[in-house]
Amino acid sequence: RKEVEQDPGPFNVPEGATVAFNCTYSNSASQSFFWYRQDCRKEPKLLMSVYSSGNEDGRFTAQLNRASQYISLLIRDSKLSDSATYLCVVNRGGGGADGLTFGKGTHLIIQP
Amino acid sequence: NAGVTQTPKFQVLKTGQSMTLQCAQDMNHEYMSWYRQDPGMGLRLIHYSVGAGITDQGEVPNGYNVSRSTTEDFPLRLLSAAPSQTSVYFCASSYQPSDSYNEQFFGPGTRLTVL
Repeated sequence: RKEVEQDPGPFNVPEGATVAFNCTYSNSASQSFFWYRQDCRKEPKLLMSVYSSGNEDGRFTAQLNRASQYISLLIRDSKLSDSATYLCVVNRGGGGADGLTFGKGTHLIIQP
Repeated sequence: NAGVTQTPKFQVLKTGQSMTLQCAQDMNHEYMSWYRQDPGMGLRLIHYSVGAGITDQGEVPNGYNVSRSTTEDFPLRLLSAAPSQTSVYFCASSYQPSDSYNEQFFGPGTRLTVL
């Protein structure tokens, strides 16, 4: 099993719809979890951290399921500007740069 | 506050040439790291540094050297470029973490082609 796995997509979703995608991780000792957003030919930027109790930031909701070792991202009322690649990132521990594992990303296309 | 800056934005090299990719940050971050991103692959860590004077290897260090003489700068040197090093290179920095939820700030990237 790969360390961090994501469905690469693309997910083609009409504007205004709700879309969700998951990410699974293999290391049960992983301590922290993130979703990063990467626009075409740009650098990744932190979208949100994912906490054990789940967390919400506006239209975005992230959930963590430690028992099944997956995290999810839900986007409500999707906008054209949400089109991007969403990277799942897992920290194996300690918080240092060497502990981060990046998924290959899920490509999301919001259609008008 | 410029964040993380990288130069050059684009570079074309011939096989065997050497060059240095520059990275600087003005956020007084202790952690700095270099990643490469290839089509169909996640970001892979090349080298990282936990502070000035301290560097360590990541997942794919072969063919690259780094140094960290100041907190601000973390250059990546390609010793003898190979076509397999054609990639997009991202530099990142972060605070020395007191906990594990530690945001990585990325530079805009350097697109390198080795012929």
